[in-house]
Amino acid sequence: SQKIEQNSEALNIQEGKTATLTCNYTNYSPAYLQWYRQDPGRGPVFLLLIRENEKEKRKERLKVTFDTTLKQSLFHITASQPADSATYLCAPPRLGRGSTLGRLYFGRGTQLTVWP
Amino acid sequence: DVKVTQSSRYLVKRTGEKVFLECVQDMDHENMFWYRQDPGLGLRLIYFSYDVKMKEKGDIPEGYSVSREKKERFSLILESASTNQTSMYLCASSLGRGGVDFEKLFFGSGTQLSVL
Repeated sequence: SQKIEQNSEALNIQEGKTATLTCNYTNYSPAYLQWYRQDPGRGPVFLLLIRENEKEKRKERLKVTFDTTLKQSLFHITASQPADSATYLCAPPRLGRGSTLGRLYFGRGTQLTVWP
Repeated sequence: DVKVTQSSRYLVKRTGEKVFLECVQDMDHENMFWYRQDPGLGLRLIYFSYDVKMKEKGDIPEGYSVSREKKERFSLILESASTNQTSMYLCASSLGRGGVDFEKLFFGSGTQLSVL
């Protein structure tokens, strides 16, 4: 069955550094992958979507890469700030019937803390 | 901006009660979803709907049912609440047409349900 793994449950970095979060998937090849941010007690918020034929996607200080050979997506936040502290979730589409209907499979998330 | 509204932010119910969680979206989205989120388990899909009166089971439908009588409203029903249904419940919607770029999910703020 498809499996999503995010590199660690928690990542702590100093303000100004680049945060790199990893999402590995196994047993299938998603056509795209989404990244979400979730603050405590709130619903996730969509950040970026990257397709399998796109190596890299950027949005302001965010950058996502998609390596179909390594079966991995990397999520980078450059010049990180304490306000970036949150849980980040990767979400490829699910396998099987309905997979094109926006049914996503969410990783457990990586909790990022940026300290001053 | 798309708005997904969940009727209650916090809810406390007794074991055996029938519980209704309501969700309304205001952007004419085709797809609507119910997830639950538990510490260490991430987001798990309970049910989803891709059209009025249509529904499909997700990963953990047992003990739940749903209703979608109108396009903008998707209700989650706990037929007989149990303590293991204590969780954060998140509703989401997506456009459902127009390709991959429109399959991003918009989440509500969540309902923290406690079953005593």
